[in-house]
Amino acid sequence: EPEVTQTPSHQVTQMGQEVILRCVPISNHLYFYWYRQILGQKVEFLVSFYNNEISEKSEIFDDQFSVERPDGSNFTLKIRSTKLEDSAMYFCASRSDRAEETQYFGPGTRLLVL
Amino acid sequence: DQQVKQNSPSLSVQEGRISILNCDYTNSMFDYFLWYKKYPAEGPTFLISISSIKDKNEDGRFTVFLNKSAKHLSLHIVPSQPGDSAVYFCAVSIFFGNEKLTFGTGTRLTIIP
Repeated sequence: EPEVTQTPSHQVTQMGQEVILRCVPISNHLYFYWYRQILGQKVEFLVSFYNNEISEKSEIFDDQFSVERPDGSNFTLKIRSTKLEDSAMYFCASRSDRAEETQYFGPGTRLLVL
Repeated sequence: DQQVKQNSPSLSVQEGRISILNCDYTNSMFDYFLWYKKYPAEGPTFLISISSIKDKNEDGRFTVFLNKSAKHLSLHIVPSQPGDSAVYFCAVSIFFGNEKLTFGTGTRLTIIP
């Protein structure tokens, strides 16, 4: 069964450094998402992406965040200057354009900012 | 952000019995409701969904009930199995034109053999 993959599974970085989290969505999917879950808290929406542009973003997704689909398979989340509070599990998700199709999530990248 | 609440952080159920997980929401604009299951170190896995035009949807051992007037949905698992032990999240969206899912805080379900 096709699945969303994410790399790396874990990343440790120093505060102020840039990180890029990578996702390979399911191949025929057209809608892409990033969510995060801070330890002990709920899963929170960050951004949705369709047709090479952001379709919606949350207030968490400020100027420090950006997303890109650099080629036909990868979908990336960049954090330009990480803060301690960016430490979280980051989930990528994708879905097809079929009506009522759900979002399928990847296994996540655990980001720790020191 | 308290738009979606799961008031029971944990629930223990004997194997073979029914597990009932509950979720309340505040925004009547939500019209698509989902349940996800999550194991440690994995991403959420879709279980079952329901749109606001229905009040019940079944898929095998899983049934989701929607009470729009009460802004309440529930997930019934029967019979419960040890492999059902996980964290369950309800999620909601305004389906058309709003892509984001808003998640509840989760309920940790433990099935006792």
